[in-house]
Order: sequence, then structure tokens, then C-alpha cells
Amino acid sequence: GENVEQHPSTLSVQEGDSAVIKCTYSDSASNYFPWYKQELGKRPQLIIDIRSNVGEKKDQRIAVTLNKTAKHFSLHITETQPEDSAVYFCAASENSGYSTLTFGKGTMLLVSP
Amino acid sequence: EPEVTQTPSHQVTQMGQEVILRCVPISNHLYFYWYRQILGQKVEFLVSFYNNEISEKSEIFDDQFSVERPDGSNFTLKIRSTKLEDSAMYFCASSEAMGGGEKLFFGSGTQLSVL
Repeated sequence: GENVEQHPSTLSVQEGDSAVIKCTYSDSASNYFPWYKQELGKRPQLIIDIRSNVGEKKDQRIAVTLNKTAKHFSLHITETQPEDSAVYFCAASENSGYSTLTFGKGTMLLVSP
Repeated sequence: EPEVTQTPSHQVTQMGQEVILRCVPISNHLYFYWYRQILGQKVEFLVSFYNNEISEKSEIFDDQFSVERPDGSNFTLKIRSTKLEDSAMYFCASSEAMGGGEKLFFGSGTQLSVL
């Protein structure tokens, strides 16, 4: 089955800096890669996703890149703000059938003012 | 914005007892899921459900677990004879369609503590 590894487990940055979280996956059939943000005590919320026919996707300060050859994808947050502080999860799945999401272990991002 | 709701937010039970975790998926969604997260570990898939039957389940979802859609709005996870290692955050999720390419919307979770 799919295995998703996520790094780093914690990431501390100063406000205004960029943050990068990286994930690798094992199943070459995976072609859907969402990122979820979970604030303390709240539900995981989808912030951005990318499908395998695209190498990069951007939404304001958030971008995701995908390298299918290397089987890794990354979340980039620019101009970080304290409210970006949360746990971020990457996930992967096949875009077909009954395939389900396999999650990474999560990255706790701390943005200091 | 529609949300997946879960009750209770916290559940404490004695080992060996049965618990039922409840979820109300988003009303126009047809596919329902349970995931769990043991403290400090990955979010793990348990089961998916569609058209009143299980679509897929993981190796975690053994005979101790069952799911049900008792009416038109609720989706429940029953854990029989709870064990210490069942302590985790349990997330319900729903989506409009099945498949990894569909966006999952999560509930805020039920923290289960087995003593």
C-alpha cells in the first residue's frame, strides 16, 4: 500500500519568512495530493491540492509542487503569519475507484511574531 | 459553510466497554469515512461507506469495529470491547463522490480515552 513520509515534524520560522514542508510517497499510481491544515483543537481543513497532471499550483501565499518522477511533493508558504501556525498534513491517493487518502505524520509549524 | 459534525467531542470509557461515536456528514455528500489519529502518529484510514455498505476498510478495522447509518443523517462508529490502544482522536469525514480525487471534509473529531 501507499506510504507517505513527511518532513520536518516541527518547523519554526519568523513572521515573514517562507516555510517549506516536504512529503514523499511510495505508490507510483498515486495521483492526487491534498494538504490539510489543522489548528489546535479544530478539524483538518483542506488548504490546497494538486493532481498529477500539474507540476505546481498556487493560491495566494500557498503553493504546492509535485515531482512525480521523484515521488515527492512540497508545500510552500510565503510571507508567513502567526495565524499560519498549525499542524499541516500531506496526503496521497489514487484518483480512481475507492482509493482512500494516506496521510503523512504531520508538521507542526510555529510562526513567531 | 456546511460542516461535518461529530459528537461527543470527548469520550472517556473503561476498557472492555462499548462506545458509539456519532457523526452527521454534510447533507448532500454520499460517501462517509472514519479515520483515527493516535497521539503523535499519522492520521489513519479506518473505513469508507457508501450506499449503506462498507466500500473499503483497513486492517485496523477488524471485528471490533462496525459502522452504521441508522437514519438519513447520522453515521456512527461502534467500537466493541474497547482496549487501551483504541485511545485516539477519531475523525469522521464525508465527500460528494468516492475516490482519492474527491475533497474530504473532516469533522472536528472525538477524542476517545480508554482507561
